Amino acid sequence: NAGVTQTPKFQVLKTGQSMTLQCAQDMNHEYMSWYRQDPGMGLRLIHYSVGAGITDQGEVPNGYNVSRSTTEDFPLRLLSAAPSQTSVYFCASSYSLRGSSTDTQYFGPGTRLTVL
Amino acid sequence: GDSVTQMEGPVTLSEEACLTINCTYTATGYPSLFWYVQYPGEGLQLLLKATKADDKGSNKGFEATYRKETTSFHLEKGSVQVSDSAVYFCALSGATGGFKTIFGAGTRLFVKA
Repeated sequence: NAGVTQTPKFQVLKTGQSMTLQCAQDMNHEYMSWYRQDPGMGLRLIHYSVGAGITDQGEVPNGYNVSRSTTEDFPLRLLSAAPSQTSVYFCASSYSLRGSSTDTQYFGPGTRLTVL
Repeated sequence: GDSVTQMEGPVTLSEEACLTINCTYTATGYPSLFWYVQYPGEGLQLLLKATKADDKGSNKGFEATYRKETTSFHLEKGSVQVSDSAVYFCALSGATGGFKTIFGAGTRLFVKA
């Protein structure tokens, strides 16, 4: 099991550029999510998905798009990068039983993004 | 809304000292409570969890008890090691039957030899 994988590990963008952060998991988890981690602010939820074809917004969705065409993949797209999106991005997945408490989340190693 | 508050860091301890990191929460319903740990340059990983009141989670010498009456889930360890240096996050999920996890801001722990 590779668990949760993320690519790239590091990325530098110029303001206005677009890019996609990749996330994949091989644990057949229904629930996947994207967080950003900023100093002193913990992790903030950007978008999440409870299954293929279903996505929803989290706490800080503006400037980001997601899609979930397969159970395994959950890419995060930055439409027009801004310096405020400089952060470390984590993808996570968990096995969730519909209607029950969320189970343990498994995190990827993160992508460190700098927007100039 | 649901929230998690944990003590600010950094916390600096000498090896073999006792550790307590305070965590309190606000939530509707009956959330599950978690402690995650993040080692330098890595993603978060689960340290321990508790799913109902009075449950005690434990792992690697760390413990935390789900206290519904005080809405707390404090992390404790009797004797820390240098290898415990990391950032610790308290979190809750499933408060209203939903799928979101709410994280605290994190507490950085430094352990000196």
